[in-house]
Amino acid sequence: GGIITQTPKFLIGQEGQKLTLKCQQNFNHDTMYWYRQDSGKGLRLIYYSITENDLQKGDLSEGYDASREKKSSFSLTVTSAQKNEMAVFLCASSKGLGGRAEQFFGPGTRLTVL
Amino acid sequence: GQQVQQSPASLVLQEGENAELQCNFSTSLNSMQWFYQRPGGSLVSLFYNPSGTKHSGRLTSTTVIKERRSSLHISSSQTTDSGTYLCALPGNTGKLIFGLGTTLQVQP
Repeated sequence: GGIITQTPKFLIGQEGQKLTLKCQQNFNHDTMYWYRQDSGKGLRLIYYSITENDLQKGDLSEGYDASREKKSSFSLTVTSAQKNEMAVFLCASSKGLGGRAEQFFGPGTRLTVL
Repeated sequence: GQQVQQSPASLVLQEGENAELQCNFSTSLNSMQWFYQRPGGSLVSLFYNPSGTKHSGRLTSTTVIKERRSSLHISSSQTTDSGTYLCALPGNTGKLIFGLGTTLQVQP
């Protein structure tokens, strides 16, 4: 087994601020993902990475940057937080890519922008 | 593009009743995943690639690939089953495409 940790658990920012979310996994999985969850809109993929230093854009990559510093960690940066933005950011990992492997999720980071 | 439809959107049960949740896909599938999410919590994988019928405790997943549908049956529901149940299908690039979920509330 393994675990995915996300920091921070709650993130409060100001409009226009650059904010960074971090994710660590000890599954030794190759692929990691960042999803955004909004009420009534389901989960949407922001970025994913199939190996260290690899980055692939998802459906919602505009306004975000990502970094896969090493196999176990994947960071997401909100480049300019939008006022009244509220969402949960979920990190996930899998042994292989997409449907060929089960995805496991972290506990999430809840973002509020004032 | 690929779509995932879940029904019902919400469901309220009395403790002890059974629940049947549906997931329908617009394209053929070779794998899918069922998740459970407690309010404010993370996604917990319930079933992965459940072709045919699979059981896990009080949960049963039945997937009919030819008909592009999967169902999740919860027997003898408990208040702790309350939360959102999500199904997901892998897309072209390997990302998961999620349905909007079924929100279940089990009342004592």
